[in-house]
Amino acid sequence: AQTVTQSQPEMSVQEAETVTLSCTYDTSESNYYLFWYKQPPSRQMILVIRQEAYKQQNATENRFSVNFQKAAKSFSLKISDSQLGDTAMYFCAFMKSTQGAQKLVFGQGTRLTINP
Amino acid sequence: NAGVMQNPRHLVRRRGQEARLRCSPMKGHSHVYWYRQLPEEGLKFMVYLQKENIIDESGMPKERFSAEFPKEGPSILRIQQVVRGDSAAYFCASSPARAGYEQYFGPGTRLTVT
Repeated sequence: AQTVTQSQPEMSVQEAETVTLSCTYDTSESNYYLFWYKQPPSRQMILVIRQEAYKQQNATENRFSVNFQKAAKSFSLKISDSQLGDTAMYFCAFMKSTQGAQKLVFGQGTRLTINP
Repeated sequence: NAGVMQNPRHLVRRRGQEARLRCSPMKGHSHVYWYRQLPEEGLKFMVYLQKENIIDESGMPKERFSAEFPKEGPSILRIQQVVRGDSAAYFCASSPARAGYEQYFGPGTRLTVT
């Protein structure tokens, strides 16, 4: 079974700083998908970024980028120029690529606070 | 294009009652997933459905829980004879048919069992 581990329960940085959230996973699959979701105080789950394991290039979405190290099974999220609105729980998630096996396996989350 | 809709947003039930949670997927999405989030924890997969079919129910408790996604109407997660341990946020997500596509989440239903 796949597992996802986020080793940082909480993080706190000043506005405009850069912060990196860690995520490691365990799988025997060779192809899969990885996601970062954000859950602000409203509790709405919002997709931040998506990475396909067969792509070597790291995904980027504006201020959000990932460092995907397939051999190390590591998938960290970097937030540049952090903003107060980035304050949220961040969840790393894994999905198999097999049709019909599309459940998301989530990590425990990292609570990120951006301070003014 | 409306997002994933869930109702009710908040539901209070006494122990032993039944809880029915509804989910309408995004337009054009044929796959529905249910997840449960206990306080201060990540989301845990419960069940994956397509219209009139349960594809994967490996995360569903064996008793009291059931889910359906009929040909017409929303997906329903049903919890019979609720207990205090069922208190949680229940999230529904939907996606198109293609494997690996991101799932779009509804706002969740917060179930409180008194």
